[in-house]
Amino acid sequence: GDSVTQMEGPVTLSEEAFLTINCTYTATGYPSLFWYVQYPGEGLQLLLKATKADDKGSNKGFEATYRKETTSFHLEKGSVQVSDSAVYFCALRSNTGFQKLVFGTGTRLLVSP
Amino acid sequence: GAVVSQHPSRVICKSGTSVKIECRSLDFQATTMFWYRQFPKQSLMLMATSNEGSKATYEQGVEKDKFLINHASLTLSTLTVTSAHPEDSSFYICSAPSGGVGNEQFFGPGTRLTVL
Repeated sequence: GDSVTQMEGPVTLSEEAFLTINCTYTATGYPSLFWYVQYPGEGLQLLLKATKADDKGSNKGFEATYRKETTSFHLEKGSVQVSDSAVYFCALRSNTGFQKLVFGTGTRLLVSP
Repeated sequence: GAVVSQHPSRVICKSGTSVKIECRSLDFQATTMFWYRQFPKQSLMLMATSNEGSKATYEQGVEKDKFLINHASLTLSTLTVTSAHPEDSSFYICSAPSGGVGNEQFFGPGTRLTVL
């Protein structure tokens, strides 16, 4: 079945450092890909998405490119802030069947001043 | 964006009791809502899909008699954990797509259930 694999955390960075969180997927067909963020005490929020190969999703300085050839959707940010500290989830949604979301295990990001 | 609320945010109960968790879409109607379970350091696992006016659809391995779902209205779905046991302790999260199943899902803040 469909699955998402993302790097284990926590990822610990200093403010203004470059961020990469790796995400790869296994799916039949052409899924849509998502990054969700969960701040402490809050629900998951959609951060960005891409619906087809070579699409780049971007939001709040974060970006990720849908790479079909490597089945990847790595999250990047050029300069992280303390306020970016959260748990980040990579997810896919199949474009067949009932379109359920399948999540990775989440990666905790800790940014220190 | 759209808002989904959950109540309660935390609940502690004794083994053998039942616990009800509510999920509400506050500013939109949702004919479908999803219920997830999240274990520490693990991913969200879809438990079931709640359908307004009809029976819920459960994922493989989820006991429907254990986790009762009722989608009473277009803005409310409830998950009842019946005869709870310590292994049911977990973080339960609901979500609802705004505008239909294929659209963006909005997530509730989750409910932490601890069964003693």
